[in-house]
Amino acid sequence: QKEVEQDPGPLSVPEGAIVSLNCTYSNSAFQYFMWYRQYSRKGPELLMYTYSSGNKEDGRFTAQVDKSSKYISLFIRDSQPSDSATYLCAMSRMDSSYKLIFGSGTRLLVRP
Amino acid sequence: GAVVSQHPSRVICKSGTSVKIECRSLDFQATTMFWYRQFPKKSLMLMATSNEGSKATYEQGVEKDKFLINHASLTLSTLTVTSAHPEDSSFYICSARLAGGPRGNEQFFGPGTRLTVL
Repeated sequence: QKEVEQDPGPLSVPEGAIVSLNCTYSNSAFQYFMWYRQYSRKGPELLMYTYSSGNKEDGRFTAQVDKSSKYISLFIRDSQPSDSATYLCAMSRMDSSYKLIFGSGTRLLVRP
Repeated sequence: GAVVSQHPSRVICKSGTSVKIECRSLDFQATTMFWYRQFPKKSLMLMATSNEGSKATYEQGVEKDKFLINHASLTLSTLTVTSAHPEDSSFYICSARLAGGPRGNEQFFGPGTRLTVL
């Protein structure tokens, strides 16, 4: 079993839709949770950074962490064609390694 | 914001040659840098953790002698793929951790280097 599971998609939605992206994980030691956006042939760009459980909102993006269920989500409101990309969840433990464990990424396509 | 650059962005080489990829943190000091490898439509696989002034820590299954990592300064880490073969063709991405920042585990990623070995 992978430490972090993420549906690879692709997920296709019409412009303006609310997008829900999810990851599950198995290691209860994860404390930091991140969402990255990656355009084709580019490096990942950090979208959301969350410590422990709870919600965090930034513009059209909302990140949720439910540690009891080992489940994290990213919601994108009013999705735009420019949001079309691969979204990677990542998480790390609270230790000195600072290593990130990535999900496999979900490809999102927002249709005009 | 914190910016990380990589050079070159793309390289094509012949089998058996060595290729060096540079990763630089442009506006901050990075005591720790990471090297990842990404296959098409796949996630990032951590290859090694590079700490300034010390030997890199390699992930299980990554050949140390094949992928040489040097982190000589707080703003520069290099990855050298030695005696490259076609199976080494991949997208190599580095990241740098912002030491002392409010989000200690935040990593800033470079734009990646696409290596093609003929």
